[in-house]
Amino acid sequence: AQKITQTQPGMFVQEKEAVTLDCTYDTSDQSYGLFWYKQPSSGEMIFLIYQGSYDEQNATEGRYSLNFQKARKSANLVISASQLGDSAMYFCAMRERRDDKIIFGKGTRLHILP
Amino acid sequence: NAGVTQTPKFQVLKTGQSMTLQCAQDMNHNSMYWYRQDPGMGLRLIYYSASEGTTDKGEVPNGYNVSRLNKREFSLRLESAAPSQTSVYFCASSETRGFSPLHFGNGTRLTVT
Repeated sequence: AQKITQTQPGMFVQEKEAVTLDCTYDTSDQSYGLFWYKQPSSGEMIFLIYQGSYDEQNATEGRYSLNFQKARKSANLVISASQLGDSAMYFCAMRERRDDKIIFGKGTRLHILP
Repeated sequence: NAGVTQTPKFQVLKTGQSMTLQCAQDMNHNSMYWYRQDPGMGLRLIYYSASEGTTDKGEVPNGYNVSRLNKREFSLRLESAAPSQTSVYFCASSETRGFSPLHFGNGTRLTVT
């Protein structure tokens, strides 16, 4: 069954440090996509980064990178040089090709400390 | 571009009342989704529609019905609201080709008393 697990309910990180948000997943589909979204306190959902199951290189988007370890079924988000504006909820999500269903993890609340 | 538009933004219902949450997208997306967000639970999929004319249950469909009225519109109906349905509801849409990201509406905050 399709499943996303985020084991860190909350994290506190000093400004300018790098931070890794954990995400593990479970699927029997060979073709799938993994996504990260940011939800600031204002409530909107912001797409950050995507990784396909057949992509050989880790995805990067500016300060965001996705550490994809297929054999371990993990897709951790790495934020380099964290900023105060990175304080938000972060959600990992997965989409399987076979049925178009997209499910989310429970999220991690990230607090960046000045 | 409006993107994904949800109405209403806020709603208060009494137990047993019914209501329909409306969602429309102007991006010509095939796939549309309804999620609910509760503290500590993340986003949970209620129903989704991979194309016009099809709907499928998600993780938490009980107590809800949906209608994919046309390619643009996907509505969520609560026939007899319960306090357990107090939540923030998000509609989202996506291309079906490849693995396109979801585009979200701004959410509806629903309180059932």
